[in-house]
Amino acid sequence: SQKIEQNSEALNIQEGKTATLTCNYTNYSPAYLQWYRQDPGRGPVFLLLIRENEKEKRKERLKVTFDTTLKQSLFHITASQPADSATYLCASGRGDSSYKLIFGSGTRLLVRP
Amino acid sequence: DVKVTQSSRYLVKRTGEKVFLECVQDMDHENMFWYRQDPGLGLRLIYFSYDVKMKEKGDIPEGYSVSREKKERFSLILESASTNQTSMYLCASTPAGSGANVLTFGAGSRLTVL
Repeated sequence: SQKIEQNSEALNIQEGKTATLTCNYTNYSPAYLQWYRQDPGRGPVFLLLIRENEKEKRKERLKVTFDTTLKQSLFHITASQPADSATYLCASGRGDSSYKLIFGSGTRLLVRP
Repeated sequence: DVKVTQSSRYLVKRTGEKVFLECVQDMDHENMFWYRQDPGLGLRLIYFSYDVKMKEKGDIPEGYSVSREKKERFSLILESASTNQTSMYLCASTPAGSGANVLTFGAGSRLTVL
C-alpha cells in the first residue's frame, strides 16, 4: 500500500545548527509533497510544497528537496531557533482530481537554546 | 485571522452518546475534510465534501457520518461514541481546482470517550 514514513524519534539539536528531517515514500510516485508544522494541541500549518519536477524549494530559513530516485524528501531548517521546536508532518498527493493526501506520522524537532 | 474554526476544543463524552463536531471556514472553499490524528498513525481521512450536500468516504469512515448543508459548515457526527473514537479530530479546507490541495486546518477538537 502507499505509504509515507517519517522518523518517529525526536530530533534534538542545538540552536543555530541546521535541522534536517526526512520523509520517505513507498509503493507509488507522488506528484507533490507538502510539509506542515504542528504545535502541541494545535492543527497543522502549511509550510512548503514541492512538485515532482522540482529539485528544491526555499522559503526564508526553510528548504525542501525532492529526490524521485531515492523516493525521499528532505526538509531543512537553517540557523534553527528554539521557536522552531514543533512536530513536522510530510504529506503527499497524486496531483490528479483526487483530494486525498497521505500523511506521515511526523517528526518532533527540539531545538535547545 | 482565524479561517477554519472548530467550535469545541475539548469534549468528554460517554460511550453510546451522540457527538457533533462542528467546523466553519470563512475562505469560501469548496472542499472540506475531517481527519483524526492518533499517535504513531498520522492523520487519517474520515470523510470529505467537495460541495454542499456532497460527501465521500475517506479511509476510515466506519462509525462516523457527516453533514454539509451550507458551504462554510461541515459537521462530523458520531452516532454512538465508542472508546476507540477517543482522538484528536481535525477539520480542514482547500479551494477546488488548486491542483496541490494545500490544506488549512482548524485548531482541532480533542475528544475523550469514557
